[in-house]
Amino acid sequence: LAKTTQPISMDSYEGQEVNITCSHNNIATNDYITWYQQFPSQGPRFIIQGYKTKVTNEVASLFIPADRKSSTLSLPRVSLSDTAVYYCLVGPYGGSQGNLIFGKGTKLSVKP
Amino acid sequence: NAGVTQTPKFQVLKTGQSMTLQCAQDMNHNSMYWYRQDPGMGLRLIYYSASEGTTDKGEVPNGYNVSRLNKREFSLRLESAAPSQTSVYFCASSERTLGSPLHFGNGTRLTVT
Repeated sequence: LAKTTQPISMDSYEGQEVNITCSHNNIATNDYITWYQQFPSQGPRFIIQGYKTKVTNEVASLFIPADRKSSTLSLPRVSLSDTAVYYCLVGPYGGSQGNLIFGKGTKLSVKP
Repeated sequence: NAGVTQTPKFQVLKTGQSMTLQCAQDMNHNSMYWYRQDPGMGLRLIYYSASEGTTDKGEVPNGYNVSRLNKREFSLRLESAAPSQTSVYFCASSERTLGSPLHFGNGTRLTVT
């Protein structure tokens, strides 16, 4: 299983772009990279998923270099409501996800 | 659609008592999961069910049992609760298809005294 490493915490200010990088040196050929967001007292919520290059949706962008050993979640113009814990997961595409491992995540604090 | 519903939201047990945490999803997903989350530990997988009729152990299964009652429901049972099982428990589901994300409930906060 590919292990992930991400910063424990990050601080930002409203309106800034935030980039959270996740390292996954042992990523396998059939692994995808998925990011989740968790607010206090709630379950994690899916944000974005990708395999290579760049993926963008209405919430975030995900940048994955050619070697796929890391990935960067980019949140444009954050607001106070983006304060949350962000988890990076790496796991196989398809099938059940019983072997996905959530690490400790990155606690993002957005200040006014 | 309610998504993933967990009951109860809060529970206090005495050491040695038993209880069952209930989880139901209305998204017709094949796979369901139970996680626990302790402060500073992230989420750890307890058990999962890849499809109706199957269950498998996750990272921390000791002290727990599960039942996949049907496609919608997946319960977690603590036979003899211990203080070490004080945690927030999350149920999740996913389609067993390509690239399907996990959908989580809002958790059950369990305290064992």
